[in-house]
Amino acid sequence: QVQLVQSGAEVKKPGASLKVSCQASGFTLTGYYIHWMRQAPGQGLEWLGWINPTSGGTNSAQKFQGRVTMTGDTSFTTAYLELTRLTSDDTALYYCARAGSGCGGDCPYWYFDLWGRGTLVTVSS
Amino acid sequence: QSALTQPRSVSGSPGQSVTISCTGTIIDVGAYKFVSWYQQHPGQAPKLKIYDVTKRPSGVPDRFSGSKSGNTASLTISGLQADDEADYYCTSYAGDFNLVFGGGTKLTVL
Repeated sequence: QVQLVQSGAEVKKPGASLKVSCQASGFTLTGYYIHWMRQAPGQGLEWLGWINPTSGGTNSAQKFQGRVTMTGDTSFTTAYLELTRLTSDDTALYYCARAGSGCGGDCPYWYFDLWGRGTLVTVSS
Repeated sequence: QSALTQPRSVSGSPGQSVTISCTGTIIDVGAYKFVSWYQQHPGQAPKLKIYDVTKRPSGVPDRFSGSKSGNTASLTISGLQADDEADYYCTSYAGDFNLVFGGGTKLTVL
């Protein structure tokens, strides 16, 4: 079954870092981009950035630059999101989602056809 | 990057049509044909309904349609059904490999 399987819920203290994983099941990440979004309780979706697991290329929203790192493993099955210097404002459900690409992987598509179920991150002292 | 502007809520009766707007700027919605729409039911992950302004993924009924004029994109749902009640989000490519979301619209089927 084609799906993105995310790691389990986490509770973090302010100032700590989090690392969320997103594992491809039923396919590999070759030729795809993985985007990360989050949704604070009762709020809308917010885009954090993307990684091309094949090339290692990344880009993040300006708001998160300096605090976010996106990586992928060498087997092209799992992508990771790291976010540092957590505050209570980072409490949210974090989603990964798949986007396709053209031009041999160099031309990302800007829509998500497959989403993970989300990882709940709670930041509390 | 500023969020795209969507109405907070819209409503319609079963069988009617509703349109949800998504207003951006000349550097995002107005500049590219990369607007997508997602439906999110409570407690679930979003689902793709429209991509590249007007295209429907396989399995999405033709009751869902998308369009764009200038800096505003729109999602129209015709023949409203009870299961259409959900939150809807638009996204747009915003240049420099960035993406921006709309604030979301809650659709109520009366």
